[in-house]
Amino acid sequence: DTGVSQDPRHKITKRGQNVTFRCDPISEHNRLYWYRQTLGQGPEFLTYFQNEAQLEKSRLLSDRFSAERPKGSFSTLEIQRTEQGDSAMYLCASSLGGVGTYPYGYTFGSGTRLTVV
Amino acid sequence: DQQVKQNSPSLSVQEGRISILNCDYTNSMFDYFLWYKKYPAEGPTFLISISSIKDKNEDGRFTVFLNKSAKHLSLHIVPSQPGDSAVYFCAAGYTNAGKSTFGDGTTLTVKP
Repeated sequence: DTGVSQDPRHKITKRGQNVTFRCDPISEHNRLYWYRQTLGQGPEFLTYFQNEAQLEKSRLLSDRFSAERPKGSFSTLEIQRTEQGDSAMYLCASSLGGVGTYPYGYTFGSGTRLTVV
Repeated sequence: DQQVKQNSPSLSVQEGRISILNCDYTNSMFDYFLWYKKYPAEGPTFLISISSIKDKNEDGRFTVFLNKSAKHLSLHIVPSQPGDSAVYFCAAGYTNAGKSTFGDGTTLTVKP
C-alpha cells in the first residue's frame, strides 16, 4: 500500500467554476476524512465517512461543498461555484475507527492545493 | 472559539537539547489527544497520542504529558535532532467521534 493518494496535487480555477478532488485511502482503513488548511492555521475539519456513510459534516461548510465515498473506497470532494475564499490546501486522511474506540491517528495524503483566481 | 490552542508559533532549540511544545484546550469533553508533525509540501504525519486516563505516554525520543486539571498537554523531544525541524500540530478528539480538532501549529527549528 502506498499510503493516502490525492489527485490532483494542484488546481487553479476561475471563480465560479466547479472543481472535484479525489482521494484514495489506505485500503484497510474504514474511515476517511476531509480537512482544509490555510496558511498559518491548522487543518480544519470538513467531513468524514465511515465506510460509505457520511457521519459528520462541518456546520461551517456551505452547501457548495459535497463529498461522496461510493462503495466505501475512494472519495471525491466537489466544490461548486468556487470563490476566492475557497483557496486552500485540501487534505484527505484515513484511519481505522468504530464505536467505542478512541480516535486513531490519521494517515494524511499530501493534499490538493486549490487556487481560485 | 478555538478549542485547541498552540500559543507559541515558533520554537528554536540547539541540537541535542530538549524541545518542549505546548498545547492548551478548552473543551473538557476531549478525552484523546494526538501530535502530528508536518514537513513542507507533505501532509501531517501522526507522531504520538495519549488518552485522558493516562498522564504520560512515551515513544522513543517523544513523550507526551497530559495535565487534565489544567487542560494542558506538552510534547517533549529528547534529544532534539535537525531532522525534527517541522511544524507540530496538537489535536484533540473524543471516543465515538471521528473528527479531531487541530491547533494552529508550532514551527520547531533545531539548530546543528
